[in-house]
Amino acid sequence: DSGVTQTPKHLITATGQRVTLRCSPRSGDLSVYWYQQSLDQGLQFLIQYYNGEERAKGNILERFSAQQFPDLHSELNLSSLELGDSALYFCASSVVASGSYTDTQYFGPGTRLTVL
Amino acid sequence: GQQVMQIPQYQHVQEGEDFTTYCNSSTTLSNIQWYKQRPGGHPVFLIQLVKSGEVKKQKRLTFQFGEAKKNSSLHITATQTTDVGTYFCAGLGGTGGSQGNLIFGKGTKLSVKP
Repeated sequence: DSGVTQTPKHLITATGQRVTLRCSPRSGDLSVYWYQQSLDQGLQFLIQYYNGEERAKGNILERFSAQQFPDLHSELNLSSLELGDSALYFCASSVVASGSYTDTQYFGPGTRLTVL
Repeated sequence: GQQVMQIPQYQHVQEGEDFTTYCNSSTTLSNIQWYKQRPGGHPVFLIQLVKSGEVKKQKRLTFQFGEAKKNSSLHITATQTTDVGTYFCAGLGGTGGSQGNLIFGKGTKLSVKP
């Protein structure tokens, strides 16, 4: 158990819908990262928050957004869902992230999203 | 953009055989991390290498960071069925939009036949 929790574990929805994935980082970790894992693309970095502020952006679609709340939990919002959005979404947390050194990232169990 | 390539994509071995996965970056990396993801599980941190030419060992696992800090390898000696999973390398991006982000390779999926 990494100490990172994610809900829900599974999510089945239809195209065009909007869903929210939730992540609670390890106690004491200030950074939260979101990744998308699909079969043929490996782990794709989406976005990072550090202590409530957006820190870095990866290959995140405009239909997706995220935020980190004062209690440090984070939510990833996916809207106008398409079949291709079906994937595992992982949240990871770390203590800090500086520009030249990266802390270990602890991954949550993931949310499996299926878009029908 | 910055890329981290990993080979092979798949490796099937007989239990007791050795296994190696290689990771190559298009640019120099500040550091490199290795993660293991068991089937149905989430990535779990194994190790981080920071220094040029660094070699670290964890029991049957040997990790190397190249002298130019652009490549790395993970070698498992005498594989066991518990080694099954996907091994990812991840390098810290240093340029442009990737700066400060971990860039993951696509992973090497290891299967071990008992």
